[in-house]
Amino acid sequence: QKEVEQDPGPLSVPEGAIVSLNCTYSNSAFQYFMWYRQYSRKGPELLMYTYSSGNKEDGRFTAQVDKSSKYISLFIRDSQPSDSATYLCAMVSGNTPLVFGKGTRLSVIA
Amino acid sequence: DAGITQSPRHKVTETGTPVTLRCHQTENHRYMYWYRQDPGHGLRLIHYSYGVKDTDKGEVSDGYSVSRSKTEDFLLTLESATSSQTSVYFCASSLQGTSGRVNTQYFGPGTRLTVL
Repeated sequence: QKEVEQDPGPLSVPEGAIVSLNCTYSNSAFQYFMWYRQYSRKGPELLMYTYSSGNKEDGRFTAQVDKSSKYISLFIRDSQPSDSATYLCAMVSGNTPLVFGKGTRLSVIA
Repeated sequence: DAGITQSPRHKVTETGTPVTLRCHQTENHRYMYWYRQDPGHGLRLIHYSYGVKDTDKGEVSDGYSVSRSKTEDFLLTLESATSSQTSVYFCASSLQGTSGRVNTQYFGPGTRLTVL
């Protein structure tokens, strides 16, 4: 079992929809949880990060962590065609390198 | 891309030839990383560096070596390229390591390598 599982999609939604992207993980030591966004033929860029459990909101984006279920989510409200990208979750414990999910490819159709 | 460049951006080479990819950052970041990204596998860490001349292996280090003689440069070498090393290679850098804290890694634009 991989440490981090992420459905690769692709996920296709109409403009304005609420998008839910998710990752599950097996290592209970993970403390920091991140979401990266990667546009086609570009490098990933950090979108949001959350420490431990709880929610964090930034504009149309909300990151949610449920450590009891080892489950993290990224919600996108009022999705736009410009949100079309691959979204990668990442997490870390202690002084170890980030562990990435495989990424979910999202298409928002106008 | 936070001042991270990669060269070359595209390369086609033949099996058995040596290949060196270069990563250059202007952020004075201490940590630098090399990843490969393949369909169905996501981002996988090859090697990373936590200072000049200080490097360590990642998840998929076999067949790769790295060198860091200056803070700003991190080289990835495929001593004898194989077709299984066809991939997109990303370099990243960060000011700090993880150390239990959020680690904002800034990624370069990637190098597409094809080994025939």
